[in-house]
Amino acid sequence: SAVISQKPSRDICQRGTSLTIQCQVDSQVTMMFWYRQQPGQSLTLIATANQGSEATYESGFVIDKFPISRPNLTFSTLTVSNMSPEDSSIYLCSVGAGGGGTQYFGPGTRLLVL
Amino acid sequence: DAKTTQPPSMDCAEGRAANLPCNHSTISGNEYVYWYRQIHSQGPQYIIHGLKNNETNEMASLIITEDRKSSTLILPHATLRDTAVYYCIARSHTGTASKLTFGTGTRLQVTL
Repeated sequence: SAVISQKPSRDICQRGTSLTIQCQVDSQVTMMFWYRQQPGQSLTLIATANQGSEATYESGFVIDKFPISRPNLTFSTLTVSNMSPEDSSIYLCSVGAGGGGTQYFGPGTRLLVL
Repeated sequence: DAKTTQPPSMDCAEGRAANLPCNHSTISGNEYVYWYRQIHSQGPQYIIHGLKNNETNEMASLIITEDRKSSTLILPHATLRDTAVYYCIARSHTGTASKLTFGTGTRLQVTL
Protein backbone atom coordinates (compact mmCIF):
# COMPACT_ATOMS: atom_id res chain seq x y z
CA SER A 1 0.00 0.00 0.00
CA ALA A 2 0.94 3.67 -0.12
CA VAL A 3 0.59 6.35 2.52
CA ILE A 4 -0.60 9.66 1.09
CA SER A 5 -0.87 13.01 2.81
CA GLN A 6 -2.48 16.20 1.56
CA LYS A 7 -2.13 19.81 2.60
CA PRO A 8 -4.15 21.71 3.53
CA SER A 9 -6.79 19.40 4.92
CA ARG A 10 -9.39 22.15 4.52
CA ASP A 11 -9.60 25.81 3.61
CA ILE A 12 -12.08 28.61 3.17
CA CYS A 13 -11.21 30.96 0.32
CA GLN A 14 -12.59 34.07 -1.28
CA ARG A 15 -13.77 34.03 -4.86
CA GLY A 16 -11.20 35.12 -7.40
CA THR A 17 -8.27 33.76 -5.41
CA SER A 18 -6.23 30.61 -6.01
CA LEU A 19 -5.33 27.69 -3.77
CA THR A 20 -2.53 25.20 -4.22
CA ILE A 21 -3.06 21.72 -2.80
CA GLN A 22 -0.09 19.49 -2.07
CA CYS A 23 0.03 15.71 -2.26
CA GLN A 24 2.93 13.73 -0.77
CA VAL A 25 3.42 9.97 -1.14
CA ASP A 26 5.69 7.77 0.97
CA SER A 27 7.03 5.91 -2.05
CA GLN A 28 7.97 6.65 -5.64
CA VAL A 29 5.08 6.32 -8.07
CA THR A 30 4.81 6.89 -11.78
CA MET A 31 1.26 8.16 -12.01
CA MET A 32 -0.65 10.42 -9.67
CA PHE A 33 -4.31 11.23 -10.13
CA TRP A 34 -6.34 14.23 -9.01
CA TYR A 35 -10.08 13.85 -8.38
CA ARG A 36 -12.83 16.25 -7.41
CA GLN A 37 -15.87 15.36 -5.33
CA GLN A 38 -18.56 17.99 -5.34
CA PRO A 39 -21.02 18.08 -2.42
CA GLY A 40 -23.21 14.96 -2.41
CA GLN A 41 -21.64 13.66 -5.60
CA SER A 42 -19.28 10.89 -6.61
CA LEU A 43 -15.64 11.34 -7.56
CA THR A 44 -14.67 12.79 -10.93
CA LEU A 45 -11.15 12.57 -12.34
CA ILE A 46 -9.59 15.95 -13.08
CA ALA A 47 -6.25 14.91 -14.50
CA THR A 48 -3.46 12.37 -14.50
CA ALA A 49 0.01 13.61 -13.60
CA ASN A 50 3.07 11.80 -14.87
CA GLN A 51 6.48 12.88 -13.64
CA GLY A 52 8.45 14.71 -16.30
CA SER A 53 5.59 15.43 -18.66
CA GLU A 54 2.47 17.55 -18.95
CA ALA A 55 -0.58 16.39 -17.06
CA THR A 56 -3.42 14.84 -19.03
CA TYR A 57 -6.77 16.49 -18.36
CA GLU A 58 -10.21 14.93 -18.57
CA SER A 59 -13.01 16.44 -20.57
CA GLY A 60 -14.34 19.54 -18.87
CA PHE A 61 -11.11 20.36 -17.04
CA VAL A 62 -8.42 22.68 -18.40
CA ILE A 63 -4.87 23.48 -17.42
CA ASP A 64 -5.52 27.20 -16.96
CA LYS A 65 -8.09 26.45 -14.26
CA PHE A 66 -6.34 23.47 -12.64
CA PRO A 67 -2.58 23.70 -13.24
CA ILE A 68 -0.68 20.68 -11.93
CA SER A 69 2.96 20.25 -11.06
CA ARG A 70 4.81 16.95 -10.71
CA PRO A 71 8.41 17.80 -9.81
CA ASN A 72 9.38 14.31 -8.63
CA LEU A 73 8.07 10.80 -8.09
CA THR A 74 6.68 11.43 -4.61
CA PHE A 75 5.03 14.84 -4.86
CA SER A 76 2.42 16.75 -6.85
CA THR A 77 0.43 19.94 -6.55
CA LEU A 78 -2.97 20.95 -7.90
CA THR A 79 -3.89 24.62 -8.07
CA VAL A 80 -7.50 25.72 -8.22
CA SER A 81 -7.31 29.09 -9.95
CA ASN A 82 -9.65 32.08 -9.95
CA MET A 83 -12.01 30.27 -7.65
CA SER A 84 -15.78 30.59 -7.61
CA PRO A 85 -18.32 29.03 -5.22
CA GLU A 86 -18.83 26.23 -7.78
CA ASP A 87 -15.29 25.07 -7.00
CA SER A 88 -16.31 24.18 -3.45
CA SER A 89 -15.48 20.47 -3.32
CA ILE A 90 -13.25 17.85 -1.84
CA TYR A 91 -10.08 17.44 -3.88
CA LEU A 92 -8.32 14.09 -3.63
CA CYS A 93 -5.08 12.74 -4.97
CA SER A 94 -4.47 9.08 -5.56
CA VAL A 95 -1.68 6.80 -6.71
CA GLY A 96 -1.41 3.29 -7.98
CA ALA A 97 0.77 0.96 -5.97
CA GLY A 98 1.49 -2.69 -5.43
CA GLY A 99 1.45 -3.62 -9.10
CA GLY A 100 -2.10 -4.95 -8.94
CA GLY A 101 -3.93 -2.02 -10.44
CA THR A 102 -5.15 -0.87 -7.03
CA GLN A 103 -5.27 2.81 -6.26
CA TYR A 104 -4.80 4.47 -2.90
CA PHE A 105 -6.29 7.80 -1.99
CA GLY A 106 -5.23 10.68 0.17
CA PRO A 107 -7.53 12.04 2.88
CA GLY A 108 -8.71 14.88 0.68
CA THR A 109 -8.71 18.68 0.86
CA ARG A 110 -12.05 20.26 1.68
CA LEU A 111 -12.41 23.57 -0.06
CA LEU A 112 -15.14 26.11 0.53
CA VAL A 113 -15.24 29.17 -1.70
CA LEU A 114 -17.25 32.14 -0.52
CA ASP B 1 -14.72 0.81 -18.62
CA ALA B 2 -18.05 -1.00 -18.38
CA LYS B 3 -20.95 0.78 -16.69
CA THR B 4 -21.96 -0.58 -13.30
CA THR B 5 -25.33 -0.30 -11.57
CA GLN B 6 -25.81 -0.40 -7.80
CA PRO B 7 -28.79 0.20 -5.52
CA PRO B 8 -28.58 3.71 -4.05
CA SER B 9 -28.91 2.60 -0.45
CA MET B 10 -29.10 -0.42 1.85
CA ASP B 11 -29.49 -1.06 5.54
CA CYS B 12 -27.89 -3.83 7.57
CA ALA B 13 -28.08 -4.77 11.24
CA GLU B 14 -24.80 -4.84 13.10
CA GLY B 15 -23.34 -8.34 13.27
CA ARG B 16 -25.23 -9.52 10.22
CA ALA B 17 -23.78 -10.06 6.78
CA ALA B 18 -24.07 -7.15 4.37
CA ASN B 19 -24.53 -8.25 0.77
CA LEU B 20 -24.02 -5.44 -1.72
CA PRO B 21 -24.98 -6.22 -5.34
CA CYS B 22 -23.51 -4.77 -8.50
CA ASN B 23 -24.64 -5.21 -12.07
CA HIS B 24 -22.05 -4.99 -14.85
CA SER B 25 -23.78 -6.71 -17.76
CA THR B 26 -21.54 -5.14 -20.42
CA ILE B 27 -18.25 -6.07 -18.79
CA SER B 28 -15.59 -7.23 -21.20
CA GLY B 29 -13.30 -10.17 -20.80
CA ASN B 30 -10.29 -8.17 -19.65
CA GLU B 31 -12.12 -6.01 -17.11
CA TYR B 32 -11.80 -6.66 -13.42
CA VAL B 33 -14.40 -5.81 -10.79
CA TYR B 34 -13.07 -3.50 -8.07
CA TRP B 35 -14.76 -2.45 -4.88
CA TYR B 36 -13.92 0.68 -2.92
CA ARG B 37 -15.66 2.35 -0.05
CA GLN B 38 -15.74 5.90 1.23
CA ILE B 39 -16.42 6.50 4.86
CA HIS B 40 -17.78 9.96 5.52
CA SER B 41 -15.17 12.71 5.16
CA GLN B 42 -12.39 10.32 4.15
CA GLY B 43 -10.73 9.32 0.88
CA PRO B 44 -11.92 6.12 -0.82
CA GLN B 45 -10.48 2.87 0.51
CA TYR B 46 -9.69 -0.16 -1.61
CA ILE B 47 -11.55 -3.30 -0.50
CA ILE B 48 -11.11 -6.11 -3.01
CA HIS B 49 -11.04 -6.96 -6.69
CA GLY B 50 -11.50 -10.00 -8.92
CA LEU B 51 -11.77 -11.19 -12.49
CA LYS B 52 -13.93 -14.32 -12.49
CA ASN B 53 -13.10 -16.35 -9.42
CA ASN B 54 -14.51 -15.58 -6.02
CA GLU B 55 -12.08 -13.69 -3.83
CA THR B 56 -11.74 -13.23 -0.10
CA ASN B 57 -9.51 -11.07 2.04
CA GLU B 58 -9.51 -9.78 5.59
CA MET B 59 -12.13 -7.17 4.78
CA ALA B 60 -14.65 -8.87 2.54
CA SER B 61 -15.58 -11.54 0.03
CA LEU B 62 -16.35 -10.96 -3.63
CA ILE B 63 -18.69 -13.31 -5.45
CA ILE B 64 -18.75 -12.98 -9.24
CA THR B 65 -21.40 -14.82 -11.24
CA GLU B 66 -20.27 -17.33 -13.82
CA ASP B 67 -21.34 -15.09 -16.70
CA ARG B 68 -19.57 -12.16 -14.98
CA LYS B 69 -22.55 -9.89 -15.49
CA SER B 70 -22.99 -9.23 -11.79
CA SER B 71 -21.20 -9.53 -8.49
CA THR B 72 -21.83 -9.26 -4.76
CA LEU B 73 -19.60 -7.80 -2.10
CA ILE B 74 -20.08 -9.52 1.24
CA LEU B 75 -19.13 -8.01 4.57
CA PRO B 76 -19.55 -11.10 6.77
CA HIS B 77 -20.16 -9.37 10.09
CA ALA B 78 -21.02 -5.73 9.53
CA THR B 79 -20.15 -3.20 12.22
CA LEU B 80 -21.13 0.42 12.65
CA ARG B 81 -17.73 1.37 11.23
CA ASP B 82 -18.71 -0.24 7.93
CA THR B 83 -21.27 2.51 7.33
CA ALA B 84 -20.04 4.08 4.09
CA VAL B 85 -20.67 4.52 0.39
CA TYR B 86 -19.54 1.42 -1.52
CA TYR B 87 -18.44 1.75 -5.12
CA CYS B 88 -18.30 -1.08 -7.65
CA ILE B 89 -16.00 -0.31 -10.59
CA ALA B 90 -15.21 -2.33 -13.70
CA ARG B 91 -11.86 -1.52 -15.24
CA SER B 92 -9.17 -3.01 -17.40
CA HIS B 93 -6.31 -4.45 -15.43
CA THR B 94 -3.69 -2.22 -16.98
CA GLY B 95 -1.67 -1.78 -13.86
CA THR B 96 -1.35 1.30 -11.76
CA ALA B 97 -1.66 3.78 -14.61
CA SER B 98 -5.35 3.31 -15.23
CA LYS B 99 -7.88 5.79 -13.91
CA LEU B 100 -10.95 4.84 -11.90
CA THR B 101 -14.42 5.84 -13.04
CA PHE B 102 -16.72 6.13 -10.04
CA GLY B 103 -20.49 5.69 -10.24
CA THR B 104 -22.93 6.79 -7.59
CA GLY B 105 -22.35 3.77 -5.33
CA THR B 106 -24.47 2.21 -2.58
CA ARG B 107 -24.84 3.99 0.72
CA LEU B 108 -24.72 1.26 3.38
CA GLN B 109 -26.14 2.14 6.77
CA VAL B 110 -25.29 -0.31 9.54
CA THR B 111 -27.61 -0.02 12.51
CA LEU B 112 -27.73 -1.37 16.04
